[in-house]
Amino acid sequence: DTEVTQTPKHLVMGMTNKKSLKCEQHMGHRAMYWYKQKAKKPPELMFVYSYEKLSINESVPSRFSPECPNSSLLNLHLHALQPEDSALYLCASSQPPGELFFGEGSRLTVL
Amino acid sequence: QQQVKQSPQSLIVQKGGISIINCAYENTAFDYFPWYQQFPGKGPALLIAIRPDVSEKKEGRFTISFNKSAKQFSLHIMDSQPGDSATYFCAAQGGSEKLVFGKGTKLTVNP
Repeated sequence: DTEVTQTPKHLVMGMTNKKSLKCEQHMGHRAMYWYKQKAKKPPELMFVYSYEKLSINESVPSRFSPECPNSSLLNLHLHALQPEDSALYLCASSQPPGELFFGEGSRLTVL
Repeated sequence: QQQVKQSPQSLIVQKGGISIINCAYENTAFDYFPWYQQFPGKGPALLIAIRPDVSEKKEGRFTISFNKSAKQFSLHIMDSQPGDSATYFCAAQGGSEKLVFGKGTKLTVNP
């Protein structure tokens, strides 16, 4: 079982909806990540939080808004998404410069 | 520019055979080379990783071979099993670079 827990596992939303993806880790890691993965492609980095501060934003559209309430939690707020945003959203954590641990992902479908 | 080139894109092996996946990189600042295994509907999981101070690392049936001068590394899966059927991603990281993934190899092991 993964030690990075993501909820929900599946999410279907309309283009006008507001929803959030949640991620939690209890490994004491100080870096947390959001990745987006399309079918048959590698994960693409979206955001990195290091010590609860946003350290990397890979030019992600503002309709994706990350939040790190504390060192164990990471949220991704979604608003006015497009159908092309449908993908598997992966959360990961690490204790830099160590191994990246991924969650099982949240499968997002935008109608 | 693709920083990590992975081949082949897909691979079919008979049970008991050897699966070999190759990766090449350009950035000499990379000093950490992990391999991730991803099953359908799951997040990637670290399989094995190597640093450039060794030329080979073995964990059970999985071996990484590393050629620093050629800037290449490969994953060998000995005695391949149907349960090894998954997508495998090589990756590289180092210096100020984020983790960079190869495009992935879909491995199918036939019974």
